[in-house]
Amino acid sequence: SAVISQKPSRDICQRGTSLTIQCQVDSQVTMMFWYRQQPGQSLTLIATANQGSEATYESGFVIDKFPISRPNLTFSTLTVSNLSPEDSSIYLCSAGKDPQETQYFGPGTRLLVL
Amino acid sequence: EDQVTQSPEALRLQEGESSSLNCSYTVSGLRGLFWYRQDPGKGPEFLFTLYSAGEEKEKERLKATLTKKESFLHITAPKPEDSATYLCAVQADYKLSFGAGTTVTVRA
Repeated sequence: SAVISQKPSRDICQRGTSLTIQCQVDSQVTMMFWYRQQPGQSLTLIATANQGSEATYESGFVIDKFPISRPNLTFSTLTVSNLSPEDSSIYLCSAGKDPQETQYFGPGTRLLVL
Repeated sequence: EDQVTQSPEALRLQEGESSSLNCSYTVSGLRGLFWYRQDPGKGPEFLFTLYSAGEEKEKERLKATLTKKESFLHITAPKPEDSATYLCAVQADYKLSFGAGTTVTVRA
């Protein structure tokens, strides 16, 4: 299994600003992912964070809005840019040692945009 | 497109009252079906992975089964600490597609 931490755990941001979320895994992993969980809803995949190359985004999510970095095999960041109240959500990081192995999740970052 | 449907949306149980949650799915090339538990304000916690029809896995009061079209999560003699949202997800290639979840409330 993998132990995953996220920073910050929660934040309140003003409209038009950006928030960068950090995800740290306790061991090297091949796969890292970013999800969004809107209030009362299930998880939606934003993108796959690829080490050493550009992230792979799902339909409806774009790099300009959700830039992602993955500088090594244990760390990734997600930035939510030009915030609007519709971005208020929980953002979750997950990781797996290989493509077919279980994904483990971090505790999430709760974002409120005013 | 992969589809995952969970039912019921919510389930209220008396302590000790066994029940089952359903996860029906449509996916091209199922690699695995995953069950997670999510407590309020926390990230999903991994419970089980099932890979092929007929497979079963157990953990304490929980038992997961898999057929070609659906999976069941059976909760036997539940306790209040089993109250949570249970999420089902299917994996084709390397990505997970989640259902909306079943919120289980167990009353003492």
